[in-house]
Amino acid sequence: EAGVAQSPRYKIIEKRQSVAFWCNPISGHATLYWYQQILGQGPKLLIQFQNNGVVDDSQLPKDRFSAERLKGVDSTLKIQPAKLEDSAVYLCASSRLRGYDTGELFFGEGSRLTVL
Amino acid sequence: KNEVEQSPQNLTAQEGEFITINCSYSVGISALHWLQQHPGGGIVSLFMLSSGKKKHGRLIATINIQEKHSSLHITASHPRDSAVYICAVNAQGAQKLVFGQGTRLTINP
Repeated sequence: EAGVAQSPRYKIIEKRQSVAFWCNPISGHATLYWYQQILGQGPKLLIQFQNNGVVDDSQLPKDRFSAERLKGVDSTLKIQPAKLEDSAVYLCASSRLRGYDTGELFFGEGSRLTVL
Repeated sequence: KNEVEQSPQNLTAQEGEFITINCSYSVGISALHWLQQHPGGGIVSLFMLSSGKKKHGRLIATINIQEKHSSLHITASHPRDSAVYICAVNAQGAQKLVFGQGTRLTINP
C-alpha cells in the first residue's frame, strides 16, 4: 500500500511569513497526527484527528498554528506568522485504529522547515 | 522527569556487536512502540508490543509491564543500523503517544 505522503519536503521562509504543509494519509486510516520534531528532540504532538474531528490539540500554538482535515482524508497544517523557534521537521502520521489504542503508526518523510 | 526515559542517549559500537537500548516509563500503558529514524528521513515503526517479546530479523524487543521497562536489542549490528531509535508509549486511557528523547546509535565498520 502507498505510504503517508507529505509535501513539501523542505521549506525555507523568513520570520513572519506563512507556510502550509500537506499530508495524505494511508487510505482507510481514521486517525491522523501532526508532530513537530525540533533537532535533537523526540516528536511532539501538535494535533490529532479522528476522521475529520479533532481529538487532541492541546499542544498546538493556536495563535499561529492551524490545521484542518476536511472530509476526513488529507490534512493541511499552517503556520502564520512563523517564528524562528518554529524551525523543525513537521511529521504527519496515520493509523488505522480508533479509540484508545493508536495501533501501528505510519509516518511520512516529514517536512523540514527553516525560519530565517 | 519525562514520562518516557531512554538510555543511553548516544551509543557508538563496532560492526557485529550486540546492541541494547533501554526504555523506562512511569505511566500505565496499553502499548509500547519502538521506532527508527534515519538522518533526514521519516520514522519507521519497528515494533508495537504490550507484553512479552517480539522478533523481526536481527531486532528483538522485550517488555516487562510490572517493571515498566522495555529493551530493544540488535544482534550482529551493521552500519546501516545507524539511526535514532525512539521509544513511545500509549498511556492507558489516552489516545496519544508519549515519546522518549531517542537514542542515537552509530555502528562503525
